[in-house]
This record gives sequence, C-alpha cells and structure tokens, in this order.
Amino acid sequence: GAGVSQSPSNKVTEKGKDVELRCDPISGHTALYWYRQSLGQGLEFLIYFQGNSAPDKSGLPSDRFSAERTGGSVSTLTIQRTQQEDSAVYLCASSPSDRAGTDTQYFGPGTRLTVL
Amino acid sequence: GNSVTQMEGPVTLSEEAFLTINCTYTATGYPSLFWYVQYPGEGLQLLLKATKADDKGSNKGFEATYRKETTSFHLEKGSVQVSDSAVYFCALSHTGRRALTFGSGTRLQVQP
Repeated sequence: GAGVSQSPSNKVTEKGKDVELRCDPISGHTALYWYRQSLGQGLEFLIYFQGNSAPDKSGLPSDRFSAERTGGSVSTLTIQRTQQEDSAVYLCASSPSDRAGTDTQYFGPGTRLTVL
Repeated sequence: GNSVTQMEGPVTLSEEAFLTINCTYTATGYPSLFWYVQYPGEGLQLLLKATKADDKGSNKGFEATYRKETTSFHLEKGSVQVSDSAVYFCALSHTGRRALTFGSGTRLQVQP
C-alpha cells in the first residue's frame, strides 16, 4: 500500500515568510507525528496527534510553529515568520494506534526547508 | 527525561567485518527500543525493535537485545556489506511519551 507522503519535497523561502508543510499518513493510521532533522540538533520531536485526543505539542520550539490534523487524516505544519534556524528537514510519521508506545512509526520522505 | 546515547561515528569497516554500534538509554518505566536506518538519499525506516526486557530484535542479519540491567540496546551484525552503509539511529518510546526519542545517529561506511 501507499506509504506516508509529504509535500512539497523541497521548499525555499525568505526569512519572515510563512510556510505550510503537508503530510498524508498511511490510511487507517490514527497516530501522526512531526519531527525535524537538522545538523545541529539531530532528530527532534515536534508534535503528536492521536485520534480525536488533544495533540501533544510539547516539542514545538516556539509559538511560531503550529499544526493541525483535519478529519483524522491529513496534517499541516505551519511555520510563521520563518527564521534561518528553522532550516531543516521536516519529517512526518504515522503508526496504527501506538497507545502502548510499541508501534512502529512509518516515516515519510521529508520536506527540506531552506530559509534564506 | 528520556535520552538515548549512541556511539559517535563515522564507523568505517571492511566488507565482512563484525559490526557493533553501542546504544544506551535513560527512561522511566519500560520503554520500547528501536533501531532505525537512513540509507543515502532515502527516508528513515525501521530496522528492528524490541518491546520488553530480554527481547531480541532481528532483521537483515542485524540483531539487538534489550538489556534492562545495563539499559542498553547494542546493534550487531556478523558480516557487513557495502550496502549496509547508512546512518543508524537508536530510539525509544513508551506509554508516557509515545513520540520517539532518538540518539544522535551513527554513520557506518563499509568499504569493499
């Protein structure tokens, strides 16, 4: 079946602009995660959605970052007033339910964001 | 809080050599442990996992055993191939924190 897809694959923007990154999880997966991968910080958790529960936003680095998940499927990560330190690869992952923290997370190919 | 520490790379080996990449963790309770691999130009994919103490995860000739007494999950392979060249990430999750906590990654380079 289809895996996790993300768009765009690459995004170049100017400092101060807003960007939106999209994630389509594997069909039927109720858990969805956003991470970012950067040279200086490695792989960092950003936000987690599980079904209709309130999202875990504990990893968001500032209030410029937000995410939503519509209809329990597609998710959008929005970064407002982008800064150069936001440059990274943004990864989305999904898993079937993950209530026990044991499920495998399946990762998308990522969106490479470059802020000039 | 949770943390994962893995050996720094790069690790450079000749083909058919034995591989060990060390991973230790700090976590409350009983986490699940994972090894993810990122091949050049590709996304992260699960290599193996173990969800309770003394479990052994295995895949593609790689193995790792969940050792609670030493809080470790070392990755091993008896005979590496050039195609194993990649970055390997150790990670954990559990019911209190389902998001993965990753180590810093270890780059493996296998030379023919």
